Amino acid sequence: GQQLNQSPQSMFIQEGEDVSMNCTSSSIFNTWLWYKQEPGEGPVLLIALYKAGELTSNGRLTAQFGITRKDSFLNISASIPSDVGIYFCAGQLIGSGNTGKLIFGQGTTLQVKP
Amino acid sequence: EPEVTQTPSHQVTQMGQEVILRCVPISNHLYFYWYRQILGQKVEFLVSFYNNEISEKSEIFDDQFSVERPDGSNFTLKIRSTKLEDSAMYFCASRPLARGNTDTQYFGPGTRLTVL
Repeated sequence: GQQLNQSPQSMFIQEGEDVSMNCTSSSIFNTWLWYKQEPGEGPVLLIALYKAGELTSNGRLTAQFGITRKDSFLNISASIPSDVGIYFCAGQLIGSGNTGKLIFGQGTTLQVKP
Repeated sequence: EPEVTQTPSHQVTQMGQEVILRCVPISNHLYFYWYRQILGQKVEFLVSFYNNEISEKSEIFDDQFSVERPDGSNFTLKIRSTKLEDSAMYFCASRPLARGNTDTQYFGPGTRLTVL
């Protein structure tokens, strides 16, 4: 079925360390989005990717749209305590029309130790 | 910066009761969505809405659910007869008419629905 496999499920790191998480699928996507969610709040957009191979940065965050269109990764450099939260990848399947329906990964829970 | 707003932030209801969740999308956006997130799980698509009609819905969005844009600003999700398993966070999202690569969806803060 239409599923995004996101890994790792959780990470517990030391402040200052770099973080990497990724999403893979057997399906092809035309859009990849990375969101961060904090407790009791809605997902907040971090980075949007629209082209295969695209590499985009937003401050300490860098994300790439895989060349096969089936995967994406998000890197966070020099983590700080406020990076704590759940990170979700979300994608729009190619051929899904223009409804914009997003399929979400299971999320990566990030904890940062000061 | 414009944002999606949702009310109420928390709704508690008895099983079998009707609830209406309200959203005000970003003003110049034309596509509207409802998603839900059961506690501890991933966000799931419910329905998309464009040009005053449903453009796509998931298998979760059965006859108990309906959406409406009653005026130029509000977008509502109605659950006619709530079940225990409807307890979840419900997120509204909106996006502008896609020109080129503007497929970005912006999410509201959510309504936590608790069915007792």
